[in-house]
Order: sequence, then C-alpha cells, then structure tokens
Amino acid sequence: GEDVEQSLFLSVREGDSSVINCTYTDSSSTYLYWYKQEPGAGLQLLTYIFSNMDMKQDQRLTVLLNKKDKHLSLRIADTQTGDSAIYFCAESGSSNTGKLIFGQGTTLQVKP
Amino acid sequence: NAGVTQTPKFQVLKTGQSMTLQCAQDMNHNSMYWYRQDPGMGLRLIYYSASEGTTDKGEVPNGYNVSRLNKREFSLRLESAAPSQTSVYFCASNEVNNQPQHFGDGTRLSIL
Repeated sequence: GEDVEQSLFLSVREGDSSVINCTYTDSSSTYLYWYKQEPGAGLQLLTYIFSNMDMKQDQRLTVLLNKKDKHLSLRIADTQTGDSAIYFCAESGSSNTGKLIFGQGTTLQVKP
Repeated sequence: NAGVTQTPKFQVLKTGQSMTLQCAQDMNHNSMYWYRQDPGMGLRLIYYSASEGTTDKGEVPNGYNVSRLNKREFSLRLESAAPSQTSVYFCASNEVNNQPQHFGDGTRLSIL
C-alpha cells in the first residue's frame, strides 16, 4: 500500500544545515511535496519535485530525490530560528483523484 | 488573497452534539479535501470531493458526513460528536491531479 515515513524530530543550531528525510512506497507517484506547518497554522507548500528530477534548488532549500531507493530529502541551508516548524513530506500516489499521502511530519527545532 | 477559508477557528462541543465545519475556496479548484491532524499521526484524510457533485470516503470517514454544496464550498458534519473526534481539522483544495493542495488554517475542535 501507499505509505510515507519520516523521522519525528530534528534539532540543529542556528546557521547549520538541516536535512529532513522521507521514504515513500508508491513508485508511480508523479510529484513529491514538502509542506511546512508553523504552530497554530495550516500547511504551507514549501516546494515540490517532479518524479523525473533528481534535484531541485530554491534559494536555501534543496530537494534530492532517489527514485531507486524511494527516498526524498529536504536540505535547509543556514537554518534560522524562523525555520522551526513541522515539515511534512507527501506523495501524489497512484490515484488520479488528486489525493496526497502524508508522512507523520518532522519537528525541526532550531537552537540559537 | 483569501485562498481556503475555514470557519469556525475554534469550537468546544459536548458529547452527542452536532456541528458543521465550513470550508470555502476562491481559487476555482475542482477538488476539495477534509483532513484531521492528531499528535504523532500526521494528516489523515476523512473525505474528499474530486469534483462538484461527487464525494468519496478517505482513510477515516466513520462518524462524519460531507456536502459539496457547490464548487466553492465543502462542509464537514459531525452528527453526534464523540471525544475521539477531538482534533484539528483542515480543509484543502487543488485544481487537478498532481497539483499541490492548498490548506486552510484549520478548525480546532474539542469534544468534552
């Protein structure tokens, strides 16, 4: 079945790089997404990658996709305290309905 | 620049009471979704509507009903609220398959 797994917690120091990892099961997923959720707010789309790409860079964010291992990562360079949030990985799956399958979310704690 | 609007933002109910959560989007999206978010469990899909006039069950539909009133609005109803339905509820929408979903800010529901 479709499943997305993430580690639950990551702590880094301000200025360091953060790497949040995700594994998924559905190799037919067309898109893979990263969302950010700040306390008390909804999910905000950070970035996404098409399944035929290996890497996508957007300012401080780098997404790496390893299709063979079904592994997705999000790297945040020069992590700031404002990056503290929950980060969700999601895959589009094999359904044609627009549904997404979300991971449990990784809480990123940035220490000053 | 409203996007997805959910009302109310907070609600406290007693066990057995009924309640309708409202969601509206102004992006002319075809598909709309209702999720619940519980600690450590990520987002779980309750119901979705792939297009106006259609609704389908998601992962956790028991105890809920939905109505796709028109293209803009998708409501979620709890007919007889139970403490297990205490959660944060999110509505989302997207245009077509494999497009990112856009989220509302959530409704925080407590059932005593």
